[in-house]
Amino acid sequence: GAVVSQHPSRVICKSGTSVKIECRSLDFQATTMFWYRQFPKQSLMLMATSNEGSKATYEQGVEKDKFLINHASLTLSTLTVTSAHPEDSSFYICSARDMGGDYGYTFGSGTRLTVV
Amino acid sequence: RKEVEQDPGPFNVPEGATVAFNCTYSNSASQSFFWYRQDCRKEPKLLMSVYSSGNEDGRFTAQLNRASQYISLLIRDSKLSDSATYLCVVLYNFNKFYFGSGTKLNVKP
Repeated sequence: GAVVSQHPSRVICKSGTSVKIECRSLDFQATTMFWYRQFPKQSLMLMATSNEGSKATYEQGVEKDKFLINHASLTLSTLTVTSAHPEDSSFYICSARDMGGDYGYTFGSGTRLTVV
Repeated sequence: RKEVEQDPGPFNVPEGATVAFNCTYSNSASQSFFWYRQDCRKEPKLLMSVYSSGNEDGRFTAQLNRASQYISLLIRDSKLSDSATYLCVVLYNFNKFYFGSGTKLNVKP
């Protein structure tokens, strides 16, 4: 089945530093990937849609200059949290759809970011 | 108003019990519907799609009522391994997913 690899799974960083999270589709090409954030006991919230070869589309309230998205190839999208602050601590998950699937999207394993 | 609403639970049931979760969605133009399962601190995994005619996959039955904008998931003969959070997910505009906050299920021995 379709596999999405996300790295790192866990990261702790100091306030003010930047963190890059990678999302790779391992056995399929993904022209579109999605980045979600999940705070404890809350639902996943779509942050942005990453489009290969073009600019990402951000959801309302998500700062595009803070959450930089690059989708340089058909199998890799990256999310960089710039100048991270403690309130950015969250569970970040990417997803992509294998076009052979039934609209079901495959999720990466998630990245737990803790900003101290 | 949230796009997708679910009872957070938890539902505490004994092994072998039948349990049902409900979910309502607000956008009548929603196109596709899914149930995902999320284990603690893990990524969501697709459990099953939900079709208008209702569909079954082993012990799991999903139903959709478009008129009432309501989705359900029925789990028969609960197993300990069914303990997880079940997310109701609605697809809108072909690529916008809206997630419910999830319903937590605890299956006890």
